[in-house]
Amino acid sequence: DAGVIQSPRHEVTEMGQEVTLRCKPISGHNSLFWYRQTMMRGLELLIYFNNNVPIDDSGMPEDRFSAKMPNASFSTLKIQPSEPRDSAVYFCASRIQGPNQPQHFGDGTRLSIL
Amino acid sequence: GNSVTQMEGPVTLSEEAFLTINCTYTATGYPSLFWYVQYPGEGLQLLLKATKADDKGSNKGFEATYRKETTSFHLEKGSVQVSDSAVYFCALSPNTDKLIFGTGTRLQVFP
Repeated sequence: DAGVIQSPRHEVTEMGQEVTLRCKPISGHNSLFWYRQTMMRGLELLIYFNNNVPIDDSGMPEDRFSAKMPNASFSTLKIQPSEPRDSAVYFCASRIQGPNQPQHFGDGTRLSIL
Repeated sequence: GNSVTQMEGPVTLSEEAFLTINCTYTATGYPSLFWYVQYPGEGLQLLLKATKADDKGSNKGFEATYRKETTSFHLEKGSVQVSDSAVYFCALSPNTDKLIFGTGTRLQVFP
């Protein structure tokens, strides 16, 4: 079975550039989560969607970050303009909404902003 | 509020040693509890879960029991292998969509 698919796996770009991270959730899953992982701050929830609707974006660090889910099989996380402190591994996870349902994670995008 | 506390790492063991990684939680109501494992360069993978008090989750030789009286969900394995080297995360779901993660515990197993 296909898991959560993220692209690209690695991204290196210069500060000020726009960065777009992509996620394809597991088919049939109706909740999608974006996380950021760093050594200093650990795993942070940025935003999550239920049925393509953003439910909680309180973890989005700044207005430079935005996320969309135009349909059930695709989501993007965009950073514009990017800064060196945005360097991290960004994970997407999906689940079937409901009690006791676990989240399933993609392999992440390692982002380096120079 | 809801929170998860894990033991500081790294935990360093020899192959075939017994493993315990402590996890305690604070939560309102009756949360579900999870252990996730993260291998180098990969995302988090669900290792096991328990959804109510006294449930035991188990997978790949790992076990954890949901102890409501001590608010704990300690991870154990009787005999670790080098391939178990990874970071282990305890997490709770307070019957909402979100997962509350601990800070992770790195396990290093040497031959």
